[in-house]
Amino acid sequence: DTAVSQTPKYLVTQMGNDKSIKCEQNLGHDTMYWYKQDSKKFLKIMFSYNNKELIINETVPNRFSPKSPDKAHLNLHINSLELGDSAVYFCASSQEPARGTQYFGPGTRLTVL
Amino acid sequence: AQKVTQAQTEISVVEKEDVTLDCVYETRDTTYYLFWYKQPPSGELVFLIRRNSFDEQNEISGRYSWNFQKSTSSFNFTITASQVVDSAVYFCALLNYGGATNKLIFGTGTLLAVQP
Repeated sequence: DTAVSQTPKYLVTQMGNDKSIKCEQNLGHDTMYWYKQDSKKFLKIMFSYNNKELIINETVPNRFSPKSPDKAHLNLHINSLELGDSAVYFCASSQEPARGTQYFGPGTRLTVL
Repeated sequence: AQKVTQAQTEISVVEKEDVTLDCVYETRDTTYYLFWYKQPPSGELVFLIRRNSFDEQNEISGRYSWNFQKSTSSFNFTITASQVVDSAVYFCALLNYGGATNKLIFGTGTLLAVQP
């Protein structure tokens, strides 16, 4: 029944590793997003996909690669993890990119040791 | 430039007090949307309300009310008779209407602590 779900909820890993976070929405929305929330709670968009097409790509290191296999899924793969990648990552979805309300997943807390 | 300012970093109140969270926004667009989200200690982001720039009517939902004033570019949020369960970080956000590349801009959040 969860509208936007993410796995895993917690991720603890060593520097240099590669990891993925998965996101799925069952709202039938066309647009999905990835946000990063830093230790000061500041929320910033990283990527946005509309109908599987990348439409927003913020200034994010290319170690971060989103992949959208279909409209309902948007995964985030991170290569060569660094200490500064530690944050909470939120997935979100909306019906329309320009004016739709964004509904967020529960977040994934990534800790890089 | 688009910007959302939540000047109150932290607010502490005692249960049953009323509290207002301030939000001031900047945008050059005439069509835009404003949002409030709640982030409780459990960490999820919960959507509370959305207003469009053409609708300045205040809204009330139970103990929550929102005051949208275009003249002062403000979209303030009041909780009446606060409860401990209202303790959370509250974010105000702005979305300009336009192309698909428009981004939801968040304020820095206000941490509300309601003491029993």
